[in-house]
Order: sequence, then C-alpha cells, then structure tokens
Amino acid sequence: SQQGEEDPQALSIQEGENATMNCSYKTSINNLQWYRQNSGRGLVHLILIRSNEREKHSGRLRVTLDTSKKSSSLLITASRAADTASYFCATGAGGTSYGKLTFGQGTILTVHP
Amino acid sequence: AAGVIQSPRHLIKEKRETATLKCYPIPRHDTVYWYQQGPGQDPQFLISFYEKMQSDKGSIPDRFSAQQFSDYHSELNMSSLELGDSALYFCASSYNSYEQYFGPGTRLTVT
Repeated sequence: SQQGEEDPQALSIQEGENATMNCSYKTSINNLQWYRQNSGRGLVHLILIRSNEREKHSGRLRVTLDTSKKSSSLLITASRAADTASYFCATGAGGTSYGKLTFGQGTILTVHP
Repeated sequence: AAGVIQSPRHLIKEKRETATLKCYPIPRHDTVYWYQQGPGQDPQFLISFYEKMQSDKGSIPDRFSAQQFSDYHSELNMSSLELGDSALYFCASSYNSYEQYFGPGTRLTVT
C-alpha cells in the first residue's frame, strides 16, 4: 500500500476475546474509515472518524485516532465467529469532491468458535 | 435498501481483448469511485466522477477509460487486457458524505 500499514497482518483469536488492529498512515488526512471484507466480496463500511476526533464507538467497535502519530486502532469487543474477515483502514484526504480513499494492507482476522 | 450494483459479476477475457464493467450507484448518489484489488492486495483507487465529471484520478492505466452517464451509472472500459489486469474491480458511490458504499465487485480474469 502507498499509504497505510496495518498491524498485525493476521490475527487469530477465540470467540469472546477482543481483537485490536492498528493502522498507520503517512500523509495528512481529513478522515479515516474502517472497512470489512469477507473473502473475495465487497467492502462494508464500519465506522468513520474525522481528523478532529480522537475516539468513536459503534456497537462493539471502538476506533481511536492519533493524528500526531498518524495512527488509528480498531477494537472489536466480544468477538464472534461471524467477525472473521479482512479489515482495512482507509484514509480520505477530503477536498471539494470528498475524495478517493487510500487503503492500508489489511488485517486478516480469524475468530475461532 | 438499494445497494450499488455491478455487472457482470464475473468476466473472463483473453489477453489483448476489451472489457466493459458497469456500475449502478445507489439512487441519488452523485459520486462514483472505481477501485482495483489484486489477489491478496488492498484496493487501489483508479478514478472517480462527481456529477458526471471526472473528479479525481489515481493509478489508472492509459488503456483504461471511464465515464459517468446522465443517469449516474458509470462504465469502466479496459482495452488491450494484460494478465496483470486480473483483479476484483469495485465500484463505490457516495452522496454528500465521506462514506463510500461499495458494490459486490466484478472479478476479471485475463487468460
């Protein structure tokens, strides 16, 4: 990826455990988004955090953003087998047309029942 | 709720052939984005359109062209196909928002 690196590249946990994925980026951003992708399928938007926000919650998801370190983390609490997927962070530079997204390399999450 | 529609879902072409991928955005969405995702790779931005005008351009080969029509659907035309063009091609749409809604993708295989 030209923008983000995700860490770890793969994560394997048991159902009920928490999963934390990290993302780093290089340039200035307007917003950062997290997407989920089930194997070979479309990307599903999970959550968006703006550059002036530090933390955001949505259900079992918690996202943090540290613009000084150019990094973000996604926490999935009480994971379920259905959470098994690839997770990508994507940064938006903003602008008049809302703009393209630049994706990180993704974390493959496997949740074992 | 209506989602982004892409057609075809699967496409097999031979080298040097031409392919056309279609995208129908969510109704009322005025911005369309195209992304290419190679095997095991992250999606890479190709091109976007806002109100039928090209709004941004990424790493799209000169062999590829795209446009957005009056009904807001978009087509990605790919000529002189190469083996390396084999990938998932996603279309996404948005309306007055940074959030993009992705279609299921078109899996292009070039043999």
